[in-house]
Amino acid sequence: EPEVTQTPSHQVTQMGQEVILRCVPISNHLYFYWYRQILGQKVEFLVSFYNNEISEKSEIFDDQFSVERPDGSNFTLKIRSTKLEDSAMYFCASSVIRGSYNEQFFGPGTRLTVL
Amino acid sequence: QKEVEQNSGPLSVPEGAIASLNCTYSDRGSQSFFWYRQYSGKSPELIMFIYSNGDKEDGRFTAQLNKASQYVSLLIRDSQPSDSATYLCAVYSGSARQLTFGSGTQLTVLP
Repeated sequence: EPEVTQTPSHQVTQMGQEVILRCVPISNHLYFYWYRQILGQKVEFLVSFYNNEISEKSEIFDDQFSVERPDGSNFTLKIRSTKLEDSAMYFCASSVIRGSYNEQFFGPGTRLTVL
Repeated sequence: QKEVEQNSGPLSVPEGAIASLNCTYSDRGSQSFFWYRQYSGKSPELIMFIYSNGDKEDGRFTAQLNKASQYVSLLIRDSQPSDSATYLCAVYSGSARQLTFGSGTQLTVLP
């Protein structure tokens, strides 16, 4: 069964460093998403991406964040200058939109630890 | 602010019993409703979705939707210890085009 994959599974970085989190969505899916989940808290929407551009973004997704689909399979989230509060699980998801029928399938996540 | 509310639990049920999980949402324009299961340290796994008022059954799971009351529920029949997890309610608004999650209900099924 097709699934979303993410690399790395765990990323440790120093505050102020840039990180790139990678995702390979399910191949026939058209919409891609990033979510984060701080330990013990809700899953929070960051951004959605369709047709090579951002479709929606949340207040969390400020100028330090960017997304890119550099080729036909990968979808990346870049955090330019990491802060301690960026430590969280980051989940990539993908879906095939059919009107409002938006079943999103999540990857296994990348645990980001900012020291 | 679009809110999705769930009882955080923990909810404990004996093996073989019915577990009932509830969720309310604030955005009347919400169009589709999802239940995800999340094991500790893992990613959300989609288990049910419902778009229309009424019940939808899939194996041991039944999702119920009442748009007038802005209420979604998930029933798990014949609960198994492997069902022990946090269950996340998520609501999709077509206008906002984003999925909003509740904080989850932690379910423990006791052998």
